[in-house]
Amino acid sequence: RKEVEQDPGPFNVPEGATVAFNCTYSNSASQSFFWYRQDCRKEPKLLMSVYSSGNEDGRFTAQLNRASQYISLLIRDSKLSDSATYLCVVNHNFGNEKLTFGTGTRLTIIP
Amino acid sequence: GAVVSQHPSWVICKSGTSVKIECRSLDFQATTMFWYRQFPKQSLMLMATSNEGSKATYEQGVEKDKFLINHASLTLSTLTVTSAHPEDSSFYICSARVNLETQYFGPGTRLLVL
Repeated sequence: RKEVEQDPGPFNVPEGATVAFNCTYSNSASQSFFWYRQDCRKEPKLLMSVYSSGNEDGRFTAQLNRASQYISLLIRDSKLSDSATYLCVVNHNFGNEKLTFGTGTRLTIIP
Repeated sequence: GAVVSQHPSWVICKSGTSVKIECRSLDFQATTMFWYRQFPKQSLMLMATSNEGSKATYEQGVEKDKFLINHASLTLSTLTVTSAHPEDSSFYICSARVNLETQYFGPGTRLLVL
């Protein structure tokens, strides 16, 4: 089983729609969780951290369920500029800061 | 925000040559940098952790004699792909650690070995 699993997509969503991504992780001792976005042929950029209580940043909402080892990202009122690959990232944090990346979910917003 | 640069941004070389990639933190000091590799349609895979003033820590399956890492200063880490072969063609990305929670990524170096 992969350490971090995501639905690879692609998700083709009309502009203005709401889209949700899911991610599961295998290591129950994982401490930190993130969503990154990666544009084609570019480096990943931090979108938001994911906190246990859930957190929101504008149109983006992240949720964490430690019991189910499940992370989600919700994008509301999607924009064309949201088209990218969204990476679920986990940090085990016990003595190191190594990030483990999911394979990413590709999102295309259709005008 | 913090900026990390990489040089070169892309390189094409013949099989058997060595290629050096530089990773610099431009406005902060980074005692720890990371080197990743990403093949098409795959996730970023950590290759090694580069620590200033000490030997790099390599992930399982990554040959330390093939991928030489030097972290000679708090703002510079280099990755040298020695005797590169076509299967080494990939997107190499570095990141610099700001704190336990935050890493900033460089723009990546695309390597094509003919």
